[in-house]
Amino acid sequence: NAGVTQTPKFRVLKTGQSMTLLCAQDMNHEYMYWYRQDPGMGLRLIHYSVGEGTTAKGEVPDGYNVSRLKKQNFLLGLESAAPSQTSVYFCASSYGQVGGETQYFGPGTRLLVL
Amino acid sequence: KNQVEQSPQSLIILEGKNCTLQCNYTVSPFSNLRWYKQDTGRGPVSLTIMTFSENTKSNGRYTATLDADTKQSSLHITASQLSDSASYICVVSDRGLTGGGNKLTFGTGTQLKVEL
Repeated sequence: NAGVTQTPKFRVLKTGQSMTLLCAQDMNHEYMYWYRQDPGMGLRLIHYSVGEGTTAKGEVPDGYNVSRLKKQNFLLGLESAAPSQTSVYFCASSYGQVGGETQYFGPGTRLLVL
Repeated sequence: KNQVEQSPQSLIILEGKNCTLQCNYTVSPFSNLRWYKQDTGRGPVSLTIMTFSENTKSNGRYTATLDADTKQSSLHITASQLSDSASYICVVSDRGLTGGGNKLTFGTGTQLKVEL
């Protein structure tokens, strides 16, 4: 049982390049989330999904797109990377919309945009 | 705007000593409050969760308290160990993201370092 895994662990991009971050969970969770963590700030929600085939915008969605084609996978795409997107990206998943459920986080992807 | 503020920003203590971390929040409508531990280079891991009706919750050497009236929480660590060195993040949940799920507001964390 691997929990939540993220690929890649680290990536360097040039401004304007594109990439996709992959998140996978093996806990059969319905809900999945993408966050970014920046120095001096709390984690901020980028996009989330409440089930296979559904996505929704979070707090800071601009410049990102997501897809949830399979229940266990949640992809985060950067179409044209900008230096402001340099950050650590965390994926999380949770069981459902019950008041006390826990979000389980992956190990993070460190992205540097030059 | 929902906010979570934590203090102190950083803390250094000697191994074996106790410490208390603080969290103040303005989140509405309140659902629950969690404390997460984040080791360097890792994702956050949940330590405790408290709902509106709970005022204390323990997990081993970690004890969290919640005062829903004053909107304050604390995390007390007893007999600290070197492995407690991490960032401790207070996270408050409100009810309802559009389409389902709970929206979390994260504090910026208290960086704790335990030294010999």
